[in-house]
Amino acid sequence: ETGVTQTPRHLVMGMTNKKSLKCEQHLGHNAMYWYKQSAKKPLELMFVYSLEERVENNSVPSRFSPECPNSSHLFLHLHTLQPEDSALYLCASSQDRVLGDGTDTQYFGPGTRLTVL
Amino acid sequence: AQKITQTQPGMFVQEKEAVTLDCTYDTSDQSYGLFWYKQPSSGEMIFLIYQGSYDEQNATEGRYSLNFQKARKSANLVISASQLGDSAMYFCAMRGDGGFKTIFGAGTRLFVKA
Repeated sequence: ETGVTQTPRHLVMGMTNKKSLKCEQHLGHNAMYWYKQSAKKPLELMFVYSLEERVENNSVPSRFSPECPNSSHLFLHLHTLQPEDSALYLCASSQDRVLGDGTDTQYFGPGTRLTVL
Repeated sequence: AQKITQTQPGMFVQEKEAVTLDCTYDTSDQSYGLFWYKQPSSGEMIFLIYQGSYDEQNATEGRYSLNFQKARKSANLVISASQLGDSAMYFCAMRGDGGFKTIFGAGTRLFVKA
């Protein structure tokens, strides 16, 4: 198993469904991230976990709920989504050695392409 | 506020030629990192190259090099000897002091012609 994996790769759900996205990193990193990539918009950071604690939460609607049970796994729980939530959801991880020195590279998974009907 | 600007929505290059993708940034941080990522149509963001703000030499990784001009706040990506597999979206990104946030530019779509 290599790098960062995400499941499922594709997901179609109705607005009343509840689903979860899963991310797993095999790099021994201590920080994990969720990003949203919509068509024609820059990549948006949603959540950051460092050492399993949430350290960033960028005004994301409560219908998105993250969970980080350990440093290798990250989930994004979805419920009562809207059609405008359709996007590519990317997970990333990094090894943050020193907070704030800007050097730590994020490595991304292949993404989950989500369609909300 | 931090900002990344990529002014080229799309670029064409002939196979085996070199191409430069532009990136300018704005930050008040003293220490920061600059990154380039490649995103093929499959969706995965692939890390290409990193440049630290205090690095005096331009970063190179195989066919990729980063033309870093600190005074002009530019961090252009140069791809030498383009290959058909280089056709993809390319994103410039920056991460500064004091947090985990990395900001991304809007991207440049590169088309390599045979």
